[in-house]
Amino acid sequence: GDSVTQTEGQVTVSESKSLIINCTYSATSIGYPNLFWYVRYPGEGLQLLLKVITAGQKGSSRGFEATYNKEATSFHLQKASVQESDSAVYYCALSRTGGYKVVFGSGTRLLVSP
Amino acid sequence: GGIITQTPKFLIGQEGQKLTLKCQQNFNHDTMYWYRQDSGKGLRLIYYSITENDLQKGDLSEGYDASREKKSSFSLTVTSAQKNEMAVFLCASSPTGYNYAEQFFGPGTRLTVL
Repeated sequence: GDSVTQTEGQVTVSESKSLIINCTYSATSIGYPNLFWYVRYPGEGLQLLLKVITAGQKGSSRGFEATYNKEATSFHLQKASVQESDSAVYYCALSRTGGYKVVFGSGTRLLVSP
Repeated sequence: GGIITQTPKFLIGQEGQKLTLKCQQNFNHDTMYWYRQDSGKGLRLIYYSITENDLQKGDLSEGYDASREKKSSFSLTVTSAQKNEMAVFLCASSPTGYNYAEQFFGPGTRLTVL
């Protein structure tokens, strides 16, 4: 079946520095999946950060962006300048159009140091 | 807007005990989900329901039962709690067929089995 891989369990970045959180996917069914980044801020529930449903497109939200790269099967999350308030756990995920299941990666904890 | 409520927030049980977790949503969403998350791991789908009285097994349904008697509520039962089991159970809902399976999550129920 489909799967999502996040290789870094935790990433530490200094405030105002750039960030990249890696995500690759394996889609075994025909067609391209929809790709998502979800985020859990401390003390809050999991929420959608951004999504891209068309291969080759870029999604953005709250200063974060991610590009759907179907050749590399990647959907890395990037931000040019992080803030302390970005400290959270980030989950990459995929789904199929019209489907009900969402497959999640294991999550990457981002710590932003002042 | 809407909200998902999960009760209880913390659940402590004994080995072999049957335990029930409850979830309520006021988004008027058709589809609801139960996930399990173990420490440092991604979310794993236990059950989902695409409408009232519907139940679909996820990847981790063994050892669990679910019930969707109303559109707004979705219950999960651990049929026999396993000793030393610790996990967070997340409930989610989504509007069927719209927004490509974007999901809205509750705050979670943390289970500890003594």
